[in-house]
Amino acid sequence: DARVTQTPRDKVTEMGQEVTMRCQPILGHNTVFWYRQTMMQGLELLAYFRNRAPLDDSGMPKDRFSAEMPDATLATLKIQPSEPRDSAVYFCASGHGTDETQYFGPGTRLLVL
Amino acid sequence: TQLLEQSPQFLSIQEGENLTVYCNSSSVFSSLQWYRQEPGEGPVLLVTVVTGGEVKKLKRLTFQFGDARKDSSLHITAAQPGDTGLYLCAGEAGGSYIPTFGRGTSLIVHP
Repeated sequence: DARVTQTPRDKVTEMGQEVTMRCQPILGHNTVFWYRQTMMQGLELLAYFRNRAPLDDSGMPKDRFSAEMPDATLATLKIQPSEPRDSAVYFCASGHGTDETQYFGPGTRLLVL
Repeated sequence: TQLLEQSPQFLSIQEGENLTVYCNSSSVFSSLQWYRQEPGEGPVLLVTVVTGGEVKKLKRLTFQFGDARKDSSLHITAAQPGDTGLYLCAGEAGGSYIPTFGRGTSLIVHP
């Protein structure tokens, strides 16, 4: 049963610290999405990769956030420096790229104090 | 502004009741999806509708895509506690394969 995996599941950190979240997409999927979910804003798209190339990161605060895919099995989302307003659940999703179906990971719950 | 408006935002009902939740937009979508998200988990796809007027059934869940492909509804018959969760609709336009999500309807079904 192929699944998207995310680590860590929970992260508590202090303001100003660097946070790195990791995602392993489903093998064979060529699209990867990063989302942030909050009660106020719902699911917000942060970044979108196709074949490891970043195609859309317009939803991501550029000054502190960065997203990369070092290889086809790993996607990372970094926040440096972190701020309390970054507290949210961050989801990674992957897809075949031939339709709009996305398979979500379990999320990383981030709390910045 | 939200491209997709979902209503109601919250719904609390008793087991056995029927309910309908809505997903509305002023935009036309080439496809629309419904996801269910359980606490502590990511959203899971329930169904994709692509044709205006299309109706799909998934056990006690009935999904309908509006004729103009601007809106959709999800009807649950005889709700059960296992239906509890956040129901999200997501629309995709223009062949980008990047859906836009609504904020969801949070459903609680009490035993």
